[in-house]
Amino acid sequence: NAGVTQTPKFRVLKTGQSMTLLCAQDMNHEYMYWYRQDPGMGLRLIHYSVGEGTTAKGEVPDGYNVSRLKKQNFLLGLESAAPSQTSVYFCASSSAGSNRGYTFGSGTRLTVV
Amino acid sequence: QQQVKQSPQSLIVQKGGIPIINCAYENTAFDYFPWYQQFPGKGPALLIAIRPDVSEKKEGRFTISFNKSAKQFSLHIMDSQPGDSATYFCAASMSNNNDMRFGAGTRLTVKP
Repeated sequence: NAGVTQTPKFRVLKTGQSMTLLCAQDMNHEYMYWYRQDPGMGLRLIHYSVGEGTTAKGEVPDGYNVSRLKKQNFLLGLESAAPSQTSVYFCASSSAGSNRGYTFGSGTRLTVV
Repeated sequence: QQQVKQSPQSLIVQKGGIPIINCAYENTAFDYFPWYQQFPGKGPALLIAIRPDVSEKKEGRFTISFNKSAKQFSLHIMDSQPGDSATYFCAASMSNNNDMRFGAGTRLTVKP
């Protein structure tokens, strides 16, 4: 049982490059989330989705876009990477929204130089 | 604006000690308060959670104490073990939205 799988695990980008982070879950969860984790700041919500075909902005959405074309996948895109986007990115899923526990992936460490 | 404030940032205890991590929240609409445990290189994992209708919840060696009037909640780890060394995050959310707010985290070290 894989749970939540994130790819890639590590990536180095040059400023201005673009990339897509993939999150896949096999638990048939409706809700999926993208967080970034920075030292001393905990986890901050970037975007989330309450179901296939729907997305919404979180606390820190600027510079990111997302898509949820299939229920099991949630993609996070960076169109023009900036050094401020250097972070560890976590995807999470939940069966019933933020009023229940989340299952997190193992993270993607992104460095923008 | 950090809606969930967590302290301390780091904590070192001896094996068998009882580390206590504290969190305070501002929004009285929060109605779900989980704690997550994160080991290096891994994602956070749900440890225990509480709702405001109870003042305490125990699961094994982990206990949440909740003080609704003070808008504070804390995690106690009984008989701590070196394997409990990890970063712990408190969080808070409300049932009518999908924006769970996390504290900044506490790095716990349990010495043998």
